[in-house]
Formats: sequence, C-alpha cells, structure tokens
Amino acid sequence: QQPVQSPQAVILREGEDAVINCSSSKALYSVHWYRQKHGEAPVFLMILLKGGEQKGHEKISASFNEKKQQSSLYLTASQLSYSGTYFCGTRDNYGQNFVFGPGTRLSVLP
Amino acid sequence: NAGVTQTPKFRVLKTGQSMTLLCAQDMNHEYMYWYRQDPGMGLRLIHYSVGEGTTAKGEVPDGYNVSRLKKQNFLLGLESAAPSQTSVYFCASSYGGLAAQETQYFGPGTRLLVL
Repeated sequence: QQPVQSPQAVILREGEDAVINCSSSKALYSVHWYRQKHGEAPVFLMILLKGGEQKGHEKISASFNEKKQQSSLYLTASQLSYSGTYFCGTRDNYGQNFVFGPGTRLSVLP
Repeated sequence: NAGVTQTPKFRVLKTGQSMTLLCAQDMNHEYMYWYRQDPGMGLRLIHYSVGEGTTAKGEVPDGYNVSRLKKQNFLLGLESAAPSQTSVYFCASSYGGLAAQETQYFGPGTRLLVL
C-alpha cells in the first residue's frame, strides 16, 4: 500500500524551512527519500532504517519514527536548488514490498 | 560511466501498436526495475529483475512484459499499446534488491504517448 505524503505541495521563500512527512499503515523497516527535478530522473537523498536514526544531507535531514510508522524530511534554509518533487519510498518489515509515495512538490522562490 | 541509459527518449504510438523500451546500465548492478510515473501517482513498479534471466511482477504489471537476457540490459515490452499506458517510464538499477539497503539509480526516462 502506497505511503501517504504531506503536504502535497509547498511554496517557500529562499531561506525558509520546510518539513515533508511520509506515513504508512504498515510497520516499516526502512524509508528512502528521493528528489526529482522537473523533467529529470529521481535522485537518491538518503535511507533511514528503523531505530529512529536521523540522517543529514547538506542542509536536508530526516528522521524515522518506527512506532508511528512515519518519516519526516527537514529542509532548512532552503535554496532555489531545492525545488522539485520529493518522494519517500517505504519497505515494510517483511522486506518484500517497496513502494513510493505520491510525492510532495516543493517550490522555492527568490 | 554512463550510469543508466534509456532508449528511446520519446515515442508516439497508435493504439494496438507494439514497442520495446531498452534500459542499459554499466554499473554491474544485479537488480533492475521498470517504473511508470503518472501525475499525482508517484512511481509505480511495473516489473523488476533480480539477476540475468530472472524477472518478477511489480505493482502494475498488466499489459507489459520484460526480459533480462543480459545482466546490463532490461527490456520492457508493450504488446498492444493502450491510451492508459501513456506515461513516463523510468528504469532503475541497484546493486542489491528491494530488501537491501541499496540506492536505486534512475535513467533519464522515456516519455510515451499512446493515441
């Protein structure tokens, strides 16, 4: 079952912060985050494993709360280059199913 | 390294026509995937392969067939195209499988329009 992402879209000014959430109805083993710029292929950002591990990539970090079956992606001091659609992908505890969410469109304005 | 490449980049088909999309990777990855991307739906897995000569169905396999005769190539076939198959198709590869902690590397995509 596809994870749910919120918000569906967000518009920011350069330098502002944003949080993108990804939640699942299933117990999760891992959450993957990808970013896709318009007209391009998705690009990997990070993988989080169950255990509440928080990771960072540039000024983008993420957390994973396995009890709540959700992950959050934090974008701080956003830059114009952060614009794009962010997808989470989740793998459940059985390890058989990996499913992408519908995406969150992020627009950073000057 | 070219990474993951896809051909063609764009194609227009008439309903009922057939075509094959080619995906090639030069990273010696074992696992390869075909996704379709539609507005508001994210990326949905069509078929995947865990190694040369093996394929498996994903979330939306109907209307598609695949083959992995060589490790570096993964072909996606549409035997009789339908307008519902209008989409952007992405191929991806990874060293490990979906059950492993591995990054998926995506190709640039193929935009398919079925009239």
